[in-house]
Amino acid sequence: SAVISQKPSRDICQRGTSLTIQCQVDSQVTMMFWYRQQPGQSLTLIATANQGSEATYESGFVIDKFPISRPNLTFSTLTVSNMSPEDSSIYLCSVEGTGVGTDTQYFGPGTRLTVL
Amino acid sequence: GIQVEQSPPDLILQEGANSTLRCNFSDSVNNLQWFHQNPWGQLINLFYIPSGTKQNGRLSATTVATERYSLLYISSSQTTDSGVYFCAFRVGGYNKLIFGAGTRLAVHP
Repeated sequence: SAVISQKPSRDICQRGTSLTIQCQVDSQVTMMFWYRQQPGQSLTLIATANQGSEATYESGFVIDKFPISRPNLTFSTLTVSNMSPEDSSIYLCSVEGTGVGTDTQYFGPGTRLTVL
Repeated sequence: GIQVEQSPPDLILQEGANSTLRCNFSDSVNNLQWFHQNPWGQLINLFYIPSGTKQNGRLSATTVATERYSLLYISSSQTTDSGVYFCAFRVGGYNKLIFGAGTRLAVHP
């Protein structure tokens, strides 16, 4: 299994500002994933972050809007830039479980963002 | 792309009742998993079940990959079972996890 923490747990931000979300894992992992969950909706993958390389973004998400850092094997940040009310969502960090035969995905507690 | 359908979309139960949640998918999938998102937003992995049947306490899950569906059984439901249940899977060689729309469950005392 993996234990994941995120900061902040929630925030209320003004339109046009940026927020950086931190994700810390208790073990070294190759890939970290960032998901967005808009109100009442399912989860959508934003990007996959590998240590030492540029993040890979899914269709509809761009680096200028959601820059990601991955400085080491246990930590990543996601920045939501130039925010608008449409960015109000829960942002979740995720990793795959470690160990032989484990493909289970684990999620952090999420960051609940409200943009006014 | 692959289609996934979860049913029912909403479910209301009295405490102690049993229920079956279903996840249908339109093509071969990998790494099928079931998650529970509690009312505070925390997503908990319930089962990793690409095929076969698993049980964990009051919960069990069955995946019939050849027929492209998976079932999640909840027995003797409790109010703490309330929340949203998602099935999710990978397709092909991609690491991207695709989520269903979810089943929203409310268990009343």
